[in-house]
Amino acid sequence: EPEVTQTPSHQVTQMGQEVILRCVPISNHLYFYWYRQILGQKVEFLVSFYNNEISEKSEIFDDQFSVERPDGSNFTLKIRSTKLEDSAMYFCASRQQGAFSYEQYFGPGTRLTVT
Amino acid sequence: GEDVEQSLFLSVREGDSSVINCTYTDSSSTYLYWYKQEPGAGLQLLTYIFSNMDMKQDQRLTVLLNKKDKHLSLRIADTQTGDSAIYFCAESPTSLFYNQGGKLIFGQGTELSVKP
Repeated sequence: EPEVTQTPSHQVTQMGQEVILRCVPISNHLYFYWYRQILGQKVEFLVSFYNNEISEKSEIFDDQFSVERPDGSNFTLKIRSTKLEDSAMYFCASRQQGAFSYEQYFGPGTRLTVT
Repeated sequence: GEDVEQSLFLSVREGDSSVINCTYTDSSSTYLYWYKQEPGAGLQLLTYIFSNMDMKQDQRLTVLLNKKDKHLSLRIADTQTGDSAIYFCAESPTSLFYNQGGKLIFGQGTELSVKP
């Protein structure tokens, strides 16, 4: 069964460093998402991406964040200068194109620890 | 604004039914979802319901939607120890039509503990 994959599973970085989190969405999906879950808190929407551009972003998704689809399979989230409060589990998700494609599938997540 | 609320904990005995409740605020929500998260794992889509439905059944899972009260519930029949996990309710407040985003707004999750 097709699934969303994410790498790495755990990333440790120092405050101020740049990180890139990688996702491979399900191959025939065209909508892509990033969410994050700070320990013990709700899963929060960060950004949605379709047709090579951002369709919607939350207040959390400020100038230190960016997303890219560098090729036909990967979808990345870059955090330019990490802060301690960026420590969280980051989930990638994808769904098919079409008005009735309502199933959004999530990857296993990348745990980001900023020290 | 968009908000989803769930109770934090539920404990049941194996073989009993579990009912997990959720309230949401956005009346424009088109789809409502239930996801399951096991320890250390990602979010697994369990089931969803379209906002013009009252009920959906899928094997041991029954979803009930009261649109007037903006209340959603997930009933798990014959709950097993393997059902122990965190269950998230989510709403999709933006239209899924015309290529709009389709972001999900999640509740804080209900931790279901199943005792043998």
